[in-house]
Amino acid sequence: NAGVTQTPKFRILKIGQSMTLQCAQDMNHNYMYWYRQDPGMGLKLIYYSVGAGITDKGEVPNGYNVSRSTTEDFPLRLELAAPSQTSVYFCASSLADLSTDTQYFGPGTRLTVL
Amino acid sequence: AQSVAQPEDQVNVAEGNPLTVKCTYSVSGNPYLFWYVQYPNRGLQFLLKYITGDNLVKGSYGFEAEFNKSQTSFHLKKPSALVSDSALYFCAVRDFGGNNRLAFGKGNQVVVIP
Repeated sequence: NAGVTQTPKFRILKIGQSMTLQCAQDMNHNYMYWYRQDPGMGLKLIYYSVGAGITDKGEVPNGYNVSRSTTEDFPLRLELAAPSQTSVYFCASSLADLSTDTQYFGPGTRLTVL
Repeated sequence: AQSVAQPEDQVNVAEGNPLTVKCTYSVSGNPYLFWYVQYPNRGLQFLLKYITGDNLVKGSYGFEAEFNKSQTSFHLKKPSALVSDSALYFCAVRDFGGNNRLAFGKGNQVVVIP
């Protein structure tokens, strides 16, 4: 049982490039989330999904897109990367909503946009 | 919107001494409160949560937290700190604003001095 896995661990992008951050979980969790963590700040929710085929915007969705074609996978797409997207990105999952379960986090992807 | 505040940037404590990490919350209605810990270059790990019931919540690694409604606080405590407790600690509250997110505080760096 690997939990929540994320790839890559590190990435450097040039302004205007695009990339996909991969996230997978093997716990059969319904809910999945993408957060970004900036220095000295808490985590901000980018997008979340309550099940396959259902996604919704979080607090800071601009510049990102997601899809959820399977229960296991929840990739995050960056189009036209900008320096403001330099951050550490965490994927998380939970079985149900937060009143009955907790979120489990992946190890993170450190992204630098130059 | 629900929010939490962690007033201190860093907490220094000698090994073996009691450790307290402070968190205050601002919510409408009953709060769902969480503590997470982040070790260097790792994702967040769940420590404990308060949903309802006893005001003293016991969690992982010997940590506990006390919910105080009158002071709107949810401080994290450990009776005897270990060097291995040195990490970044995040308080969070469930945001009932429709996107099922956790609203995180900015985090507290805990340094346990041998």
